Amino acid sequence: GQQVMQIPQYQHVQEGEDFTTYCNSSTTLSNIQWYKQRPGGHPVFLIQLVKSGEVKKQKRLTFQFGEAKKNSSLHITATQTTDVGTYFCAPRAAGNKLTFGGGTRVLVKP
Amino acid sequence: NAGVTQTPKFRVLKTGQSMTLLCAQDMNHEYMYWYRQDPGMGLRLIHYSVGEGTTAKGEVPDGYNVSRLKKQNFLLGLESAAPSQTSVYFCASSSISTSLGGKGQPQHFGDGTRLSIL
Repeated sequence: GQQVMQIPQYQHVQEGEDFTTYCNSSTTLSNIQWYKQRPGGHPVFLIQLVKSGEVKKQKRLTFQFGEAKKNSSLHITATQTTDVGTYFCAPRAAGNKLTFGGGTRVLVKP
Repeated sequence: NAGVTQTPKFRVLKTGQSMTLLCAQDMNHEYMYWYRQDPGMGLRLIHYSVGEGTTAKGEVPDGYNVSRLKKQNFLLGLESAAPSQTSVYFCASSSISTSLGGKGQPQHFGDGTRLSIL
């Protein structure tokens, strides 16, 4: 499957601050999905990006797909304690299979 | 709707024992998947199914078998459990991707099964 690397692996954020997590691939991706997993929970679908340069927003979360479709990013503004969890990017392959990145674990300091 | 239900939620096995994990979905999804997640890591695909009666290997299939006799159920079997199979197992399902342009369908996950092998 298509391998992706997520950076950083851990993100400690002060409540109210912004941060960005990145998902990088060495190959061109057809599309990419993002999931969030709360501690002790299961992954939950957030968004799907398909088009080159696509930007989608969900309240304080902004997702972007790179122009070359080799990278993606998630930017969270005004971080809240509810943002705690691990964020995974997952490129899609045939048969709707996904290859999950290692994730960015977000910890929020109140 | 229950969505995706996994049973059991927890299990402890001894090395060499066998067991079956059950996944049931009530969303009429064609695709079903089994993943394992080791501490601090992402999910790795074990096996998947694109329809009733069909299964295929994923990234880490060794030591596991699966069956999809009914559309709503996807079973994961460990024939002879090994400590390296200690993990959290997630089942997921999704509908068929029918749109053009590479758009896929989101996967819906169960709550997971925490399996420890001693």
